[in-house]
Amino acid sequence: AQTVTQSQPEMSVQEAETVTLSCTYDTSENNYYLFWYKQPPSRQMILVIRQEAYKQQNATENRFSVNFQKAAKSFSLKISDSQLGDTAMYFCAFMRGSGAGSYQLTFGKGTKLSVIP
Amino acid sequence: DARVTQTPRHKVTEMGQEVTMRCQPILGHNTVFWYRQTMMQGLELLAYFRNRAPLDDSGMPKDRFSAEMPDATLATLKIQPSEPRDSAVYFCASGEQGNQPQHFGDGTRLSIL
Repeated sequence: AQTVTQSQPEMSVQEAETVTLSCTYDTSENNYYLFWYKQPPSRQMILVIRQEAYKQQNATENRFSVNFQKAAKSFSLKISDSQLGDTAMYFCAFMRGSGAGSYQLTFGKGTKLSVIP
Repeated sequence: DARVTQTPRHKVTEMGQEVTMRCQPILGHNTVFWYRQTMMQGLELLAYFRNRAPLDDSGMPKDRFSAEMPDATLATLKIQPSEPRDSAVYFCASGEQGNQPQHFGDGTRLSIL
């Protein structure tokens, strides 16, 4: 079974600064996808960014980028120019690309990020 | 923007009562997932469907939970009888194809007294 570990239960960052959230995962698969989801106090689950394991290039989405280290099974999220609206729980998630249990998400426990004015 | 719609948004009921949660996936999405979120366990997959067929419900307590898709626009999750330990936020998510990102509804916050 796949496991996803987020080792930072809580983090804080000053507005306009940069913060990096950590995520590691354990799998024997070669075909998989990784995601970061954001859950603000409103409870919505919002997709932030997606990475295909077969792609070497790190995904970016505006102020959000990832550092995907496949050999190390690491998938960290960098938020640049942090904004107050970035305050939320951030979940790292793993998805198998094929075989039994594919296409379902396995989530980490989350990191609570607070952006301080 | 198309959205996954879940009803009700909140539900409070007494233990032993039947609870039904509904989900309307995004039109055209052929995979539907049910997740449960609690403080202790985080987000857990309960069940998922592809083209309305159940593919995996191993995360769901079979004796009291059931999930169905009577048609492509409706997924339901039922708990009968409900217990206080079922109190959680239940999310429905849908996806366009297997490996595409899942889009989540706003969740149903369930409280069993």
